[in-house]
Amino acid sequence: AQSVTQLGSHVSVSEGALVLLRCNYSSSVPPYLFWYVQYPNQGLQLLLKYTTGATLVKGINGFEAEFKKSETSFHLTKPSAHMSDAAEYFCAVIRSGGYQKVTFGTGTKLQVIP
Amino acid sequence: EAGVTQFPSHSVIEKGQTVTLRCDPISGHDNLYWYRRVMGKEIKFLLHFVKESKQDESGMPNNRFLAERTGGTYSTLKVQPAELEDSGVYFCASSQLGGENSPLHFGNGTRLTVT
Repeated sequence: AQSVTQLGSHVSVSEGALVLLRCNYSSSVPPYLFWYVQYPNQGLQLLLKYTTGATLVKGINGFEAEFKKSETSFHLTKPSAHMSDAAEYFCAVIRSGGYQKVTFGTGTKLQVIP
Repeated sequence: EAGVTQFPSHSVIEKGQTVTLRCDPISGHDNLYWYRRVMGKEIKFLLHFVKESKQDESGMPNNRFLAERTGGTYSTLKVQPAELEDSGVYFCASSQLGGENSPLHFGNGTRLTVT
């Protein structure tokens, strides 16, 4: 079985500041890891994913995440927050070789302060 | 291409009533998934269709929930009778293939409120 823990249900950053959203996972098999974003009144949109290969993955809108097996982490970062980044972010995991039965974290709402 | 569409966007019903949610996946997507987010909690998997067949319905909460995908196109999720704890946002997603490299496309969700 796999699980995902997101630290902090709400995170506030100033515009232009570093964004760091934390995610730790638990999986008995090599995981595939994802970050999704949900803007108000919209569906979930894939930001980035890690399957195999390079552990630093880049996604849309300047976001990136690094898979650290030793720390079982997949934290999401962006060097400089923009007002348009205000949304809810979900870390997620699926088993490698499986279909898209996704296990999601509880979500982190990002507030960007002007 | 049109995205995944869900109808209605909001539904408010009384306890004991019946509600049917509909999902139209992206054309050509054989894989269709239902997920649910109860207020403040994580988004949880409900079930997975491949075409018209249920591949995995391990996440369905109980027998008050019935999902169908007749003809392998759109899907419906019926809750009968609805209970207070069924309130939440129901998401539908579709993908062309079943594997992890086939992107999931989510609809905007149906917000169900049971009073």
